[in-house]
Amino acid sequence: AQSVTQPDIHITVSEGASLELRCNYSYGATPYLFWYVQSPGQGLQLLLKYFSGDTLVQGIKGFEAEFKRSQSSFNLRKPSVHWSDAAEYFCAVGPRSNDYKLSFGAGTTVTVRA
Amino acid sequence: DAGVIQSPRHEVTEMGQEVTLRCKPISGHNSLFWYRQTMMRGLELLIYFNNNVPIDDSGMPEDRFSAKMPNASFSTLKIQPSEPRDSAVYFCASSPPPSGGLYNEQFFGPGTRLTVL
Repeated sequence: AQSVTQPDIHITVSEGASLELRCNYSYGATPYLFWYVQSPGQGLQLLLKYFSGDTLVQGIKGFEAEFKRSQSSFNLRKPSVHWSDAAEYFCAVGPRSNDYKLSFGAGTTVTVRA
Repeated sequence: DAGVIQSPRHEVTEMGQEVTLRCKPISGHNSLFWYRQTMMRGLELLIYFNNNVPIDDSGMPEDRFSAKMPNASFSTLKIQPSEPRDSAVYFCASSPPPSGGLYNEQFFGPGTRLTVL
């Protein structure tokens, strides 16, 4: 069965510091991979996605993620965090098939301190 | 462009009452998903439709929950009767048809915060 693990429930980072959020998946084959962000009281917004090709993916708001097949990981990074990046981040995977379901991780809450 | 529209944004009701949540997907999208988000269980897929047909409702908690999609631009999620444990944020998401391959990018609405007293 497919699963998505986000090992860190909560991360606190200083404004201007770098950020890395971890995501590991368990899947029969290389899935489609996504990172979503949810600001308080809002819906989920797509940050970036990986389907194929270059394993380093650029997204919105200065985020990037790197797909590592050997580690079944898709970690999200940002070189310099802004206070507005405080939110909850979800990693999700979807199958390369006619099944349109996504499996979401439990989420990582990011707090940014001044 | 208008995103996924959900109504109401907030709903407070009493136990035993019927609750209907509404969703308008993005025009041209042919897949629609209903999710429930709680602190305890995170984000759970309840049901999804493809071309207005329910494909997988295995996530629907019990018979009190039902969902319909009478046309490509409207879907409802109904809870009858509602219970306090149904209190959660309910999200609707839609997804466009695949193009040049298969993919699952979903666009989320702002959610409906349901409180059952």
